[in-house]
Amino acid sequence: AQSVSQHNHHVILSEAASLELGCNYSYGGTVNLFWYVQYPGQHLQLLLKYFSGDPLVKGIKGFEAEFIKSKFSFNLRKPSVQWSDTAEYFCAVTRGLYSSASKIIFGSGTRLSIRP
Amino acid sequence: DAGVTQSPTHLIKTRGQQVTLRCSPKSGHDTVSWYQQALGQGPQFIFQYYEEEERQRGNFPDRFSGHQFPNYSSELNVNALLLGDSALYLCASGTNTGELFFGEGSRLTVL
Repeated sequence: AQSVSQHNHHVILSEAASLELGCNYSYGGTVNLFWYVQYPGQHLQLLLKYFSGDPLVKGIKGFEAEFIKSKFSFNLRKPSVQWSDTAEYFCAVTRGLYSSASKIIFGSGTRLSIRP
Repeated sequence: DAGVTQSPTHLIKTRGQQVTLRCSPKSGHDTVSWYQQALGQGPQFIFQYYEEEERQRGNFPDRFSGHQFPNYSSELNVNALLLGDSALYLCASGTNTGELFFGEGSRLTVL
C-alpha cells in the first residue's frame, strides 16, 4: 500500500536556524508530491508541489523542496526560519498523472515550533 | 471569492447517533473530497464526489456516506457513531492544477 513517512514528529528551532523536514514515500511509479502547511487555527494550504521537471521546487514564503527519485524522498527546506513559520507541515503524494480525481495521501505531519 | 466553507464548525454527538456535515466548494470547482483528521495525524481520505457520484473511496466503512448536489455542494453522513469517529472532518475542492483548497473543518466530538 502507498504510504508517506515523515520522520520528525516535532521539531524545535530558534529563529534564523535552517530547516529540513524529511519525507519519504513508498510508491515506485509516477508520483506527484506536495507539502501542505497548517498554521495555528487556520486551514491547510499548499506550500509547494512537484509534478515533473526540475526536481528542486520553490514554494511560497521561502520554502523549497527537492525530489530525489532514487531515495523516494521529497524533503522540505528553508535556509532561515522565522517565528511565523510555527505550524504543522504535511507531506503528501498522488500517483500517476495528476488530475482533480487524484487521491492525495498525507503523511502524519511534523509540528514545527520556532523559538523567538 | 469565497473559499471552501464547511458547517457546522463544532458539534458534539453521542455514540450511536448520526451526523451530517456540509461543504460548499470554492467557486468554479466541481470536485469535492472529504478527509478525516484525527488528533496528531495527517488527513485520511474518505471519498471524493464528482458530478453527483462517488468517484473514489478510501478505507472507511459503509457507515460513512456522502452526497453531492447539482450546485456541487456536498454532505458527509456518518451513521452509528463510535467514539473513534471523533476527529476534524475536512472538505477540499480542487482543479487539475494540483492544488487542493481546504475548508477549516468540522470538529466532531463523540461522547
